[in-house]
Amino acid sequence: KQEVTQIPAALSVPEGENLVLNCSFTDSAIYNLQWFRQDPGKGLTSLLLIQSSQREQTSGRLNASLDKSSGRSTLYIAASQPGDSATYLCAVRDYGQNFVFGPGTRLSVLP
Amino acid sequence: GAVVSQHPSRVICKSGTSVKIECRSLDFQATTMFWYRQFPKKSLMLMATSNEGSKATYEQGVEKDKFLINHASLTLSTLTVTSAHPEDSSFYICSALQGYEQYFGPGTRLTVT
Repeated sequence: KQEVTQIPAALSVPEGENLVLNCSFTDSAIYNLQWFRQDPGKGLTSLLLIQSSQREQTSGRLNASLDKSSGRSTLYIAASQPGDSATYLCAVRDYGQNFVFGPGTRLSVLP
Repeated sequence: GAVVSQHPSRVICKSGTSVKIECRSLDFQATTMFWYRQFPKKSLMLMATSNEGSKATYEQGVEKDKFLINHASLTLSTLTVTSAHPEDSSFYICSALQGYEQYFGPGTRLTVT
């Protein structure tokens, strides 16, 4: 059974710092991996999607990498801003189109 | 882009009553929708997969008689929490599948008093 973990569980940084969020999964047979952002009491906003054949994806200040063989993905956020404060969720999808979510990393960027 | 809505966004009900939550795909048809539950400061847990015109597939440990799912059309799935109890209080999120992409609704906060 696929299990997804995320480290750290919570992170507080001053504005402007570059930071890395980590995601690990136990079964490398994934269809893709997706990073989401969730604001308190809100739904999910998709940030980046990496197909199993890809190594990384970039969007603006965000960069996500995928190492399927080692079961790891990282989300890199450059020049963090207070508006980046949210919970970041990593989710892997298997070939049955089922999502398994990690527990999330709660990020707080201090002005 | 694909938009999924949920109604209501918040609901408070008394213990023992039933509550219906709607999930709609606004600009696309979805033969498959998913229902998730999220506890405070926890991740999303898949409850069931809803397929249009057929019975939902429930994850292990989810009571199908308590969480009734109906996917009567290609744009609407409903989740009914029957005889709700305080422990059913949670954040419920649906998603709709378009091609290989899941698009998530904004969630419904259920509070059972």
